[in-house]
Amino acid sequence: KAGVTQTPRYLIKTRGQQVTLSCSPISGHRSVSWYQQTPGQGLQFLFEYFSETQRNKGNFPGRFSGRQFSNSRSEMNVSTLELGDSALYLCASSLNDIYGYTFGSGTRLTVV
Amino acid sequence: KNEVEQSPQNLTAQEGEFITINCSYSVGISALHWLQQHPGGGIVSLFMLSSGKKKHGRLIATINIQEKHSSLHITASHPRDSAVYICAVKGGGADGLTFGKGTHLIIQP
Repeated sequence: KAGVTQTPRYLIKTRGQQVTLSCSPISGHRSVSWYQQTPGQGLQFLFEYFSETQRNKGNFPGRFSGRQFSNSRSEMNVSTLELGDSALYLCASSLNDIYGYTFGSGTRLTVV
Repeated sequence: KNEVEQSPQNLTAQEGEFITINCSYSVGISALHWLQQHPGGGIVSLFMLSSGKKKHGRLIATINIQEKHSSLHITASHPRDSAVYICAVKGGGADGLTFGKGTHLIIQP
């Protein structure tokens, strides 16, 4: 079966711009969560959606937002990009809390 | 907020050796995950544990809920096991995952 698909794989943006990243979960998975990975901070939780509702949000500024559509696909948006937003952004999908996560390959965002 | 500590941070071993990676956390959890990340970024979920022990091939994961501690063991290690191993915990309710800093494992032939 198809895995978790993240698009685009690589992205270069300029400070002050905004960016939208996409995540298509495994068919049937209703939970999608997003993570940021940087060399300095490691992996950090951004937010989690379940059936179009945000269940929890990590400790990130309001510039980071997301949403989930009725087909479970999810997008995250970062507005007013800063150099420090350069990171690997990963999403993961899960059937529910009882099962583990399947991660996508990530989107590597570079802010210049 | 849960604090997750992994040890060692770096580990270099010879092929065939038995490997142990440790993870400790500070607050009660609903589940603990062991993840593997290869160069290039892709993450694979190895185990999800809430109690006891799980085994998959040469990998074994254990968790002691009372001591808030988990271990990941690799038997008969192989160079293809070289990767970063990350421990992550999930609290109760709708908490997101909290991650350890990872253990960089290199298995030399």
